[in-house]
Amino acid sequence: AQSVTQLGSHVSVSEGALVLLRCNYSSSVPPYLFWYVQYPNQGLQLLLKYTTGATLVKGINGFEAEFKKSETSFHLTKPSAHMSDAAEYFCAVNQGAKTSYDKVIFGPGTSLSVIP
Amino acid sequence: GAGVSQTPSNKVTEKGKYVELRCDPISGHTALYWYRQSLGQGPEFLIYFQGTGAADDSGLPNDRFFAVRPEGSVSTLKIQRTERGDSAVYLCASSPGSGGTQYFGPGTRLLVL
Repeated sequence: AQSVTQLGSHVSVSEGALVLLRCNYSSSVPPYLFWYVQYPNQGLQLLLKYTTGATLVKGINGFEAEFKKSETSFHLTKPSAHMSDAAEYFCAVNQGAKTSYDKVIFGPGTSLSVIP
Repeated sequence: GAGVSQTPSNKVTEKGKYVELRCDPISGHTALYWYRQSLGQGPEFLIYFQGTGAADDSGLPNDRFFAVRPEGSVSTLKIQRTERGDSAVYLCASSPGSGGTQYFGPGTRLLVL
């Protein structure tokens, strides 16, 4: 069975500092991996995704994530935090096109606070 | 173009009542998904439609929950005999097809008193 863990339910960083949100997954088949962001009272928005190919994936708003198969990790980073980055971040995994259906498994989320 | 829309945005009901939650997917998207997000948790998969048929309903918690998509577009999630534990945000997403990126609606916040 697939699962996702996110280390740290709450992360605080200073404005301009590095953002690092951790995600580890378990999957019996090569996974598709995602990061979603949820702003207060808004729907989930896709930040970036990994399917195949290059393991360093760039997304919107300056975020990127690196797929490390040996570590079963897909950590999210941004070099310099902005106040507008304050939100809830969810890592997710699914079995991608290798199965006949999609069933995305989400992690519990990490709440990011940015301190001015 | 228009994104995924969900109505109502908020629903308050009493324990034991019946509720319907509606999802309008992005036009042309064949895949539609329902999730439930409880406070402080990540979304939990409920059901997935490919066209009109439910391809995977393994996430529905019990037989009080049912979803339909009769014409392969709009979907309705139906909850019978609501319980306080059903209180959550119900999210809908659509995708161009299996394996595609899922685009989420704003959700319906259900409160069962």
